[in-house]
Amino acid sequence: DTEVTQTPKHLVMGMTNKKSLKCEQHMGHRAMYWYKQKAKKPPELMFVYSYEKLSINESVPSRFSPECPNSSLLNLHLHALQPEDSALYLCASSPLGEGTQYFGPGTRLLVL
Amino acid sequence: AQSVAQPEDQVNVAEGNPLTVKCTYSVSGNPYLFWYVQYPNRGLQFLLKYITGDNLVKGSYGFEAEFNKSQTSFHLKKPSALVSDSALYFCAVSKVDSSYKLIFGSGTRLLVRP
Repeated sequence: DTEVTQTPKHLVMGMTNKKSLKCEQHMGHRAMYWYKQKAKKPPELMFVYSYEKLSINESVPSRFSPECPNSSLLNLHLHALQPEDSALYLCASSPLGEGTQYFGPGTRLLVL
Repeated sequence: AQSVAQPEDQVNVAEGNPLTVKCTYSVSGNPYLFWYVQYPNRGLQFLLKYITGDNLVKGSYGFEAEFNKSQTSFHLKKPSALVSDSALYFCAVSKVDSSYKLIFGSGTRLLVRP
């Protein structure tokens, strides 16, 4: 099963809200990723977790806070977002090494 | 600097005709190469990859890709296009190191006419 699940599918939040995006995989992958994707553009890498530890932060603003509670779960905590943060947020996972990344369906976020 | 180029924003093809979506890359060493497809309002779906071996790689839904080291290209092909193949296609490269980072091309929209 090559499935990555993400909740919620859609999220609307105000600039003062706090919300969280969730991602789950049960493929035994030890690398997990958060991407941001604007319409008709390629995904932009935000964070990489390897063995539940943050290994890459692509200079993402601190209003985005990732968390990896265990090897199957990845969260992205959102606080004080800006309207320009509205996008599709994609989670992915991969085995370490060869690293084919498998993507979830994404959370479409709208910041008002 | 590493980069991936997809020179065509859009490719138009009639159903039943062969299709090609082009990709060239600039990465040092021997990279891993991938194709992903994205349908509207969906995540990216893995189609195929090249790591080593045979230059012609077969993937999902009848797609295949040809790796050409001398031209640093990895073009996606399908012998007979379907209307349902209409989607956004991304070529991606991963360096053979511990960064696990994918470098994506800008994407090519494939439109298959009935």
